[in-house]
This record gives sequence, C-alpha cells and structure tokens, in this order.
Amino acid sequence: EAGVAQSPRYKIIEKRQSVAFWCNPISGHATLYWYQQILGQGPKLLIQFQNNGVVDDSQLPKDRFSAERLKGVDSTLKIQPAKLEDSAVYLCASRPPTTGELFFGEGSRLTVL
Amino acid sequence: AQSVTQLGSHVSVSEGALVLLRCNYSSSVPPYLFWYVQYPNQGLQLLLKYTSAATLVKGINGFEAEFKKSETSFHLTKPSAHMSDAAEYFCAVSEAGGADGLTFGKGTHLIIQP
Repeated sequence: EAGVAQSPRYKIIEKRQSVAFWCNPISGHATLYWYQQILGQGPKLLIQFQNNGVVDDSQLPKDRFSAERLKGVDSTLKIQPAKLEDSAVYLCASRPPTTGELFFGEGSRLTVL
Repeated sequence: AQSVTQLGSHVSVSEGALVLLRCNYSSSVPPYLFWYVQYPNQGLQLLLKYTSAATLVKGINGFEAEFKKSETSFHLTKPSAHMSDAAEYFCAVSEAGGADGLTFGKGTHLIIQP
C-alpha cells in the first residue's frame, strides 16, 4: 500500500515570496491533515479536511496561509507571503475511517531567508 | 482543552539499558493516546496507541506503554535499548476518539550510548 506522498521535500525561498506544498493521502482515507513542525517542537495542527470540506482551521494563519482539497483527494497548502518564522517542516497526514491513528508523509522542509 | 507534557527534551541511555520516556496528558474526556517515533528527515511513524481497552499497550520494536488514569500518564518503555532506537519520540492525545487532529507534546530526543 502506498503511503502519504508529499512534494517538494525541500524548498528555500526569500521572505515575502510564495510557496505551495502538495499532498496525496493514502487511498480511501477521507480525513486529511496539515501540520507545521518547527525545529525542536512537536507538530501543530494547521487544518483538517473531511473529504473536501474543512473540519478545523482554527490554528491556520489565514492572512497568509491557505489550503484546499479539491475532489476530496489530494491537497495543496499555500503560504503567501512567507515570513522568516514560517521556516518549518510541513507534514501531511491522513486517517482511515475506522481507526484513530494518523499516517504521515515524510514532510516538506521550508527555509525562508 | 487537551494537552501533553513530555518530561525531558533529551534522554540518554546505554545500549541494553531500560528506556523510559515520560508523558503526562490533560483531557476533559477519556482520551485516546498515541506514541509516535520520528527518524531524521522522515515523517512520524506510529509506535502504539491506547483506545480505552487494555491499559498496557504493546507496540512495534519492543516498546510498550501503560495508561494510568490516576496519574494522567502514558509513559513509554522498552526493556533493552538498541542503537537503532535513537530518534525523536512524540506523545499525542485525542479527545474525539482520534477523529480530531492530535495534540502533540514537544518531543523527547532519545540518545543511545554504545
């Protein structure tokens, strides 16, 4: 079974530029999450989707971050404009319908200079 | 609101020694609890989970954890450490049976001394 796919793995941008990350969850997983993991900290939930609807985006900085999940499958997380403090690993995870565990991708590491 | 506290940002043990990583949680309802491991430049991998069944939970790679409601704890143990156990370990809690996004602790970096 294929795992959660994310791209790109690494991205370096200047502050005020924009960036987009892509995630393809495990087939059949209706719930998709984006987490932000700053160096030395645990992952922090940014947004949760159920199919193509948003369940929780209370911790998403909506002035600069946006996310969508068209057709209820893959998802894109965008940052525009980026700030230095956005440097982090962005993790995508998906969850099967019958269990509580999350399956994570390898993450996209963003460096903002 | 739910929260997790992991005591000790770094834990160092000798190869073959007992591993003990501490996790305390706060939850207003009976929680689901998880331990994840993260190797460098990789995503998180589930070690084990507690879902209100048996209080002693066995996971992969010889790890186990015990849910203690009276102590609000879910400590992770392994009888004998191996060099390959060196990684970052995260405890996480869910108040909605896992249906919500998990709340993670800050992590504990496990160092194995030869």
